[in-house]
Amino acid sequence: EDQVTQSPEALRLQEGESSSLNCSYTVSGLRGLFWYRQDPGKGPEFLFTLYSAGEEKEKERLKATLTKKESFLHITAPKPEDSATYLCAVHTYGNKLVFGAGTILRVKS
Amino acid sequence: GAVVSQHPSRVICKSGTSVKIECRSLDFQATTMFWYRQFPKQSLMLMATSNEGSKATYEQGVEKDKFLINHASLTLSTLTVTSAHPEDSSFYICSAREPGSPLHFGNGTRLTVT
Repeated sequence: EDQVTQSPEALRLQEGESSSLNCSYTVSGLRGLFWYRQDPGKGPEFLFTLYSAGEEKEKERLKATLTKKESFLHITAPKPEDSATYLCAVHTYGNKLVFGAGTILRVKS
Repeated sequence: GAVVSQHPSRVICKSGTSVKIECRSLDFQATTMFWYRQFPKQSLMLMATSNEGSKATYEQGVEKDKFLINHASLTLSTLTVTSAHPEDSSFYICSAREPGSPLHFGNGTRLTVT
């Protein structure tokens, strides 16, 4: 069974305190891994797509990396406006998009 | 970039009534749209895949007679929750994708059934 697990469930950071979110997956085959940001009461907003192990993508304070078993979303010097739920999703060879439960990030000033 | 619009953003209805939610792709044609449901602090669960001009494909455990999906044009899919009950209260989100692009989501509809 395809599974995507995100950790931690929740993360509290001080402004400027860098950290990483984890997304580990066990799927039938990886066609792509996606990171989304979701604000309360809103739909997910696309951040990154990663396709192969070793690939990295960056956008402002965020950097996503991918290995054969997991992906990390690194947040460098976060600001309060980075507070959101970060969702990881895996597109499988079975043409399914399997989501993790998300990591709730809170950044305090 | 691709934009997906969903309406309404919030709806409150009485038990036993039906509610229709619209999902539009604003700047691209979507032959396929997806409907998800999200409970508080839980992940998105795919309910069904909406195919333009043909029947929707429902995920296991989703009642097709309760959640009616119509994809009448390349830019519009609708989800109708029929005979709604309090347990149908949830956050419903649609999504669509241009070929070669990632999935983009609407802003969701918060349904509350009283």
